[in-house]
Amino acid sequence: SQTIHQWPATLVQPVGSPLSLECTVEGTSNPNLYWYRQAAGRGLQLLFYSVGIGQISSEVPQNLSASRPQDRQFILSSKKLLLSDSGFYLCAWRVGGRRETQYFGPGTRLLVL
Amino acid sequence: AQSVTQLDSQVPVFEEAPVELRCNYSSSVSVYLFWYVQYPNQGLQLLLKYLSGSTLVESINGFEAEFNKSQTSFHLRKPSVHISDTAEYFCAVSDSFQKLVFGTGTRLLVSP
Repeated sequence: SQTIHQWPATLVQPVGSPLSLECTVEGTSNPNLYWYRQAAGRGLQLLFYSVGIGQISSEVPQNLSASRPQDRQFILSSKKLLLSDSGFYLCAWRVGGRRETQYFGPGTRLLVL
Repeated sequence: AQSVTQLDSQVPVFEEAPVELRCNYSSSVSVYLFWYVQYPNQGLQLLLKYLSGSTLVESINGFEAEFNKSQTSFHLRKPSVHISDTAEYFCAVSDSFQKLVFGTGTRLLVSP
């Protein structure tokens, strides 16, 4: 069966520090991968998605970047965090065809102080 | 562009009462609709989805939703809620499967 992992689970970082959040998927190959952010009291905002290694689509201009160095690895990064980067970051992968669904990881809660 | 509206940010209800969580969408093409549930400090779990066929879809834990094309709605209902149904519920729409657009969520609060 397929599983999706995210780490760390919780992170507290000072403003201006770098960020690296990792997402890995097991049990599938060539998945579509997604990064979402959920800010307090708001819905989910799609940040990036990737249909393959090295292929990144950015949905909104911001202080973040994403990379996909391996088929089942998706990394969210920042060179200098802002207070507004605080939130709950969720990684997801997509099953296509008749079972069309996006499955979500457990999330990383980021607090920028 | 697609959008999803969940008008109710919070819905309080007593245990064993019925509930309806509203979801309306806008799209110019055929759509596929999803409901996800999020328990505190967890990721999202798929509750149910409409891709094609019967407009009434059901989940394994008693929720159902009906796709209404004329009213552009996909409301979520349950005839009798449990305390354990307390969570945040997100409606989402997609026209291409590549991307989902989510509503802002509805917090369901079930009290005894």
